[in-house]
Amino acid sequence: KAGVTQTPRYLIKTRGQQVTLSCSPISGHRSVSWYQQTPGQGLQFLFEYFSETQRNKGNFPGRFSGRQFSNSRSEMNVSTLELGDSALYLCASSLGLSDYEQYFGPGTRLTVT
Amino acid sequence: AQSVTQLDSQVPVFEEAPVELRCNYSSSVSVYLFWYVQYPNQGLQLLLKYLSGSTLVKGINGFEAEFNKSQTSFHLRKPSVHISDTAEYFCAVRGLFGGYNKLIFGAGTRLAVHP
Repeated sequence: KAGVTQTPRYLIKTRGQQVTLSCSPISGHRSVSWYQQTPGQGLQFLFEYFSETQRNKGNFPGRFSGRQFSNSRSEMNVSTLELGDSALYLCASSLGLSDYEQYFGPGTRLTVT
Repeated sequence: AQSVTQLDSQVPVFEEAPVELRCNYSSSVSVYLFWYVQYPNQGLQLLLKYLSGSTLVKGINGFEAEFNKSQTSFHLRKPSVHISDTAEYFCAVRGLFGGYNKLIFGAGTRLAVHP
């Protein structure tokens, strides 16, 4: 079975721009969660989607948004990029909502200049 | 507020020596506990999890952890480490926090295994 895939793997953007990251979960998995990893703040939960609806969320501003499609693929969007948004963004998939076993993708490294 | 504390940011150890990575959590509600490993330029891989039952949990790659409710700890151990165990290890807690079911991570412990 193929693992969680994230595209692109690396991205460089300028302050003020917006960016969209993509995540394809493991086949059969219906829940997708997003995390931000930075040296200063560590790993932080952004949100979780299940059946195309956001079910759980972390403490991030509204500039961070996401969506999930009927095939469970998910996208995350960050608008009006700030330098502090530079991070590794990790996607994780699981069979069901709030499933305790999450499988992580390799991440997308976003650099904001 | 809920938190996960990994007491050591870095742990150097010689190959074939035992190792313990410490994790304490603070929560007044029922939680589920996890250890993840992250190798350079990769995502996270689940090592083991405690949901209920036996407090001694065995995971992959020879790792095990013990859940201690009275001390709110979930320390990770391995009796004999290999060079290939060099990586960053994260302790995590999953529970209902602020009305949302979330996975909260500790700051991580960098394990460096030397020959």
